[in-house]
Amino acid sequence: NAGVTQTPKFQVLKTGQSMTLQCAQDMNHNSMYWYRQDPGMGLRLIYYSASEGTTDKGEVPNGYNVSRLNKREFSLRLESAAPSQTSVYFCASRPGQGIDTQYFGPGTRLTVL
Amino acid sequence: GDSVTQMEGPVTLSEEAFLTINCTYTATGYPSLFWYVQYPGEGLQLLLKATKADDKGSNKGFEATYRKETTSFHLEKGSVQVSDSAVYFCALSDRSGATNKLIFGTGTLLAVQP
Repeated sequence: NAGVTQTPKFQVLKTGQSMTLQCAQDMNHNSMYWYRQDPGMGLRLIYYSASEGTTDKGEVPNGYNVSRLNKREFSLRLESAAPSQTSVYFCASRPGQGIDTQYFGPGTRLTVL
Repeated sequence: GDSVTQMEGPVTLSEEAFLTINCTYTATGYPSLFWYVQYPGEGLQLLLKATKADDKGSNKGFEATYRKETTSFHLEKGSVQVSDSAVYFCALSDRSGATNKLIFGTGTLLAVQP
């Protein structure tokens, strides 16, 4: 049981490049989330998926898109990376109705030059 | 909107000292409250949670009590170890709508010296 996995662990991009961050969970959870972590700001929600086939914006969605490929996988795409997107990105999942604990992946550290 | 405020760090303690990390919250409903811990280079792990007023969450010697009257959820441990050095995040679960998103405090870095 791997829990929540994320790839890659580290990535360096140049301004304007695109990339996709991958997230998968093997716990049969319904809901999945993408957060970014910046110094002094805690974690902020980028996008979430309440269930397979649905996605919605969080607090800081600009510059990102997401795909809930199936129940297991939830990817985050940066179409044209900017230095302001330098951050650590965490994926999380939650079982579903009535259970509000979220389980986090190990994170992806992204640097945009 | 809902928010979480926790004490700024870093907090530096000697091994076996008593730990308190303060956390207060603002919420319109009745959120669940959480403490997550992040060890260096790792993701966030759930440390403990409480789902209603007066509930006490506990794990690995850490405790926190959900105090509705003071809107607080302070983290305590009687005797810290070097291995407790990490960043601690207080969070609440926004139960309004379908999001159930977590709202985090800014995190408190704890450094325990031998």
